[in-house]
Parts: sequence; structure tokens; C-alpha cells
Amino acid sequence: QSVLTQPPSASGTPGQRVTISCSGSSSNIGSNTVNWYQQLPGKAPKLLIYSDNQRPSGVPDRFSGSKSGTSASLAISGLQSEDEADYYCAPWDDSLYGPVFGGGTKLTVL
Amino acid sequence: QLQLQESGSGLVKPSQTLSLTCAVSGGSVSSAGYSWSWIRQPPGKGLEWLGYIYHSGIPYYNPSLRSRVTISVDRSKNQFSLKLNSVTAADTAVYYCARQANYGDFTGVFDPWGQGTLVTVSS
Repeated sequence: QSVLTQPPSASGTPGQRVTISCSGSSSNIGSNTVNWYQQLPGKAPKLLIYSDNQRPSGVPDRFSGSKSGTSASLAISGLQSEDEADYYCAPWDDSLYGPVFGGGTKLTVL
Repeated sequence: QLQLQESGSGLVKPSQTLSLTCAVSGGSVSSAGYSWSWIRQPPGKGLEWLGYIYHSGIPYYNPSLRSRVTISVDRSKNQFSLKLNSVTAADTAVYYCARQANYGDFTGVFDPWGQGTLVTVSS
């Protein structure tokens, strides 16, 4: 059971915009930046968003992140079939002195 | 380009010790500003951070596993290792190694990751 809460699933049709939420606490999201990872089926996770809303080189601008208080969100606009994957939020947690992962959200493109 | 590759036994008996190594190429485990992490994922489940070791050699572990985990670094071989003792079936998972940044906006970022290796605990 993760200390971060993500919806287990999300879905959308091609071209739509979907958002995935991540709810935490003052020891993690409330006091540290949030990173997001994308895990395609059968693959290792890949960095998607870092420092709440920054995209690494090569990540399309269809992906965006935001944060408010102890919650963060990942938005995907112009949904594409290749976006079908699991998405994890991962802020640093001051009580762990380490990172913590959300439970993950499985995105299905209908 | 930095690359990480896990290796080790894919089958471990209950109560024994799981041992994995992560070979680092295209960079150095002694690089300042980074630590080296282990993360696991049980089949069909989410990710769990196990621990990391700073470039200085100081380790930090997830409190839930602290009594069973040891992470070490071998600078001569440019690799780092994971040992998990007293394993049970609950430790069956894909184990990933990753580089973790420890500076500025990149603090806590895992990038890149190894491809992962499945370890099954079974008699």
C-alpha cells in the first residue's frame, strides 16, 4: 500500500486529453518536487516529467505536469495509441530519506 | 551514453540470499552528484524503492527492508550490488538498478534504468 494515491486506471480515445492524479502528504509532495515515469508493457520505466513540470529531452510536449499543495497531476493531450502504459508519480519523501512511488495508473487508449 | 545492466541469479531458494550486480558503462559510479539505486516490481504490481548508495559509499535503505538489505559499490569494477537476505516468495520481482540524481531540480530522479532482471524465490 503506497503512501501516494493514484487512480488504478484511466482511459481515453485518440486525440483526447487525460489527466492522472497523485495525492500525497506534507512529507513528500507537499515539500518536494514530483517526478513521473512511463512504463510501456514489458519495459523498464522511463523518466517522463521531472521537478513537477519539466520534460527531459525527447519527451513530447503533449505530456505536462503540475502540482498544488500535496497533489500532483500528469496531463496527456492529443492521446495516441503508443501512450498506452503504466504511469507512476515519484516524489522524494523526507520521512524515508528516499523516493516513494505511487501505486501506478494503467492508461488504456480506447 | 550511460547504460546499466543487471546480472545475478534468477532463482533463489526461500531463506537464502538474493544477490544482484549492476554494471555501469559510459559513466562512473564515483561521479559526484549521483547515487546508485535498486528498485523492484513484483509481477503485476507497482514499483518499490529498495535503497541507494551515494558515490561516497554511504548507503540508505527503505525502512521496510532495512534489516535485510545491503547495497555496496565496487569502484574497481564500476559496478554496484544488492544483497537481500532471508528471502520469501514475496520477494519475487523484477529488480531494476538505476542512477539517481542528487542535485537541484533533478534530486531523486531515476535516469537511466537498467532493463531489469526477474528473480524468482522458490524451492
